[in-house]
Amino acid sequence: ETGVTQTPRHLVMGMTNKKSLKCEQHLGHNAMYWYKQSAKKPLELMFVYNFKEQTENNSVPSRFSPECPNSSHLFLHLHTLQPEDSALYLCASSQSAGNTEAFFGQGTRLTVV
Amino acid sequence: QKEVEQNSGPLSVPEGAIASLNCTYSDRGSQSFFWYRQYSGKSPELIMFIYSNGDKEDGRFTAQLNKASQYVSLLIRDSQPSDSATYLCAVTLNSGYALNFGKGTSLLVTP
Repeated sequence: ETGVTQTPRHLVMGMTNKKSLKCEQHLGHNAMYWYKQSAKKPLELMFVYNFKEQTENNSVPSRFSPECPNSSHLFLHLHTLQPEDSALYLCASSQSAGNTEAFFGQGTRLTVV
Repeated sequence: QKEVEQNSGPLSVPEGAIASLNCTYSDRGSQSFFWYRQYSGKSPELIMFIYSNGDKEDGRFTAQLNKASQYVSLLIRDSQPSDSATYLCAVTLNSGYALNFGKGTSLLVTP
């Protein structure tokens, strides 16, 4: 049982669709992250929120739009994605952004067709 | 570009042996160092973290940090087939907001 829960676990969407990924953490943490994991590549940081404020946008295309309504919830809104966006999207949280260990959710396996 | 480098492997060791996993990083400002284990199809799971030079032991796992040489390693004693996974090294900068990951080393422990 993980303290970070992601839904859905699997998602198949067309290039013209709009969908959202949801992440919820029950650890009392103040920082939340979105990472992208593609085959043969390191985990890529996408967005960081610290105390609900976005502190980092790692040159992510605008077709990915994050939302953090409170410290426990994080969303990733998706629209007009490309097939190369197919990957495992991982949410993580930590006590605060920076030098503290992060805990990951189970991820959403996204396939863009 | 702040880089974290790992040998992708696979590293194959017999059951009961010591597995040694290595990681180097490019930024001397790095402050915190983490090892994650990731089974196929699963998310990364934190194994250990280390902040100071030297060794840190937790059960069968030992993390070693040498900031002067900019490397961090993970030793797994008495390796078990269940240790077969990809091991990810992660590093944060003093001014950074998140972890920077290496590509991971695939470990295979053979019975």
